[in-house]
Amino acid sequence: KQEVTQIPAALSVPEGENLVLNCSFTDSAIYNLQWFRQDPGKGLTSLLLIQSSQREQTSGRLNASLDKSSGRSTLYIAASQPGDSATYLCAVNTGTASKLTFGTGTRLQVTL
Amino acid sequence: NAGVTQTPKFRVLKTGQSMTLLCAQDMNHEYMYWYRQDPGMGLRLIHYSVGEGTTAKGEVPDGYNVSRLKKQNFLLGLESAAPSQTSVYFCASSYGSGGPNYGYTFGSGTRLTVV
Repeated sequence: KQEVTQIPAALSVPEGENLVLNCSFTDSAIYNLQWFRQDPGKGLTSLLLIQSSQREQTSGRLNASLDKSSGRSTLYIAASQPGDSATYLCAVNTGTASKLTFGTGTRLQVTL
Repeated sequence: NAGVTQTPKFRVLKTGQSMTLLCAQDMNHEYMYWYRQDPGMGLRLIHYSVGEGTTAKGEVPDGYNVSRLKKQNFLLGLESAAPSQTSVYFCASSYGSGGPNYGYTFGSGTRLTVV
């Protein structure tokens, strides 16, 4: 059974700092991995999707990497802003019906 | 705006009552899903559908039923609500394995409380 772990569970950083969020998964046979953002009381917004054949994806200040063989992904946020404060969720797609297995998320707070 | 719409957004039920949650998408996605989100447990898959007229069980299907009579709609039913079903429910859709983008689109959620 696929298990996804995100470390740390919570993180507080001052504005302007670069930071890395970690995601690990137990079964390397994945089709893709997706990073989501969730604001309190809201739904999930897709940030980046990395196919199993890719090593990284970039969108603005966000960069996600994937090392399938070691079962790890990282989300790098450059020059953090208070508006980045949210919970970040990692999810892996193991193929069958494109079902996702989620981690429990990292709650990020960026302070002024 | 294109996307996934869930109704209702909030609901309070008494134990034993029934209700249906509606999910509608206008992106012509083949695959649709129902997840529940509980504190400390992340999102867990309840049921899913890979096309009109199909449904399948996910990780936590007990106490729920689903139907996908039309491609754009996916209904989640609770026949006899229990306090353990208090949760936030999210619907999602995707093109599926044959589409141009395997990414998911999520609805804004339904917050259900069973008392």
